[in-house]
Amino acid sequence: EIVLTQSPGTLSLSPGERATLSCRASQSVRNSFLAWYQQKPGQAPRLLIYGASSRATGIPDRFSGSGSGTDFTLTISRLEPEDFALYYCHQYGSPPHAFGQGTKLEIK
Amino acid sequence: EVQLLESGGGLVQPGGSLRFSCEASGFTFNTYALGWVRQTPAKGLEWVSAIGADGNTHYPDSMRGRVTISRDNSKNILYLQMNSLRAEDTAVYYCTREGPSPFFDYWGQGILVTVSS
Repeated sequence: EIVLTQSPGTLSLSPGERATLSCRASQSVRNSFLAWYQQKPGQAPRLLIYGASSRATGIPDRFSGSGSGTDFTLTISRLEPEDFALYYCHQYGSPPHAFGQGTKLEIK
Repeated sequence: EVQLLESGGGLVQPGGSLRFSCEASGFTFNTYALGWVRQTPAKGLEWVSAIGADGNTHYPDSMRGRVTISRDNSKNILYLQMNSLRAEDTAVYYCTREGPSPFFDYWGQGILVTVSS
């Protein structure tokens, strides 16, 4: 069973800055089947990235994903006020599905 | 527009059972795999179950035997039956649609299930 560890737990940045979120898997994620979701308070998670680097429909191009094997990164190139939220990674390459514990992106 | 609308949650006593539903619209229901994911403050997001377009079901070992996922393609409804509920099952349960690979491209708004006496 794959365990995903996200870092940092909390990231404090200002609008306009670049955010780099990390997700490390306990073993290689098959086919880079890794997704990223954004969650705001009181809302369901929203798909941002799938297949490690493919943006979901309607997701702005300031969001990008990269990585393979055990190390994956979500980058937000220039933070907008609406980007401050919780972010989760998710591996779906090997059952069972697994989620990271989340990174909280907060306004500095 | 894809919509997933859960219903049927609420308060249930330990040891009890609950069945909740997810009514789907805005896509061809019988061609997509669907599933359930739950969220708690303690454990975060946790996969509960999935059912393929072909009706094949999938569960993590932690849920197997206590939960049953099913679908009614004539009504565009997904179901989750949970038995022998315990306090640790208290969570927000989300209905999900799977994309071309089993990531979750759409989520319902979530439904709260509270297991307490």
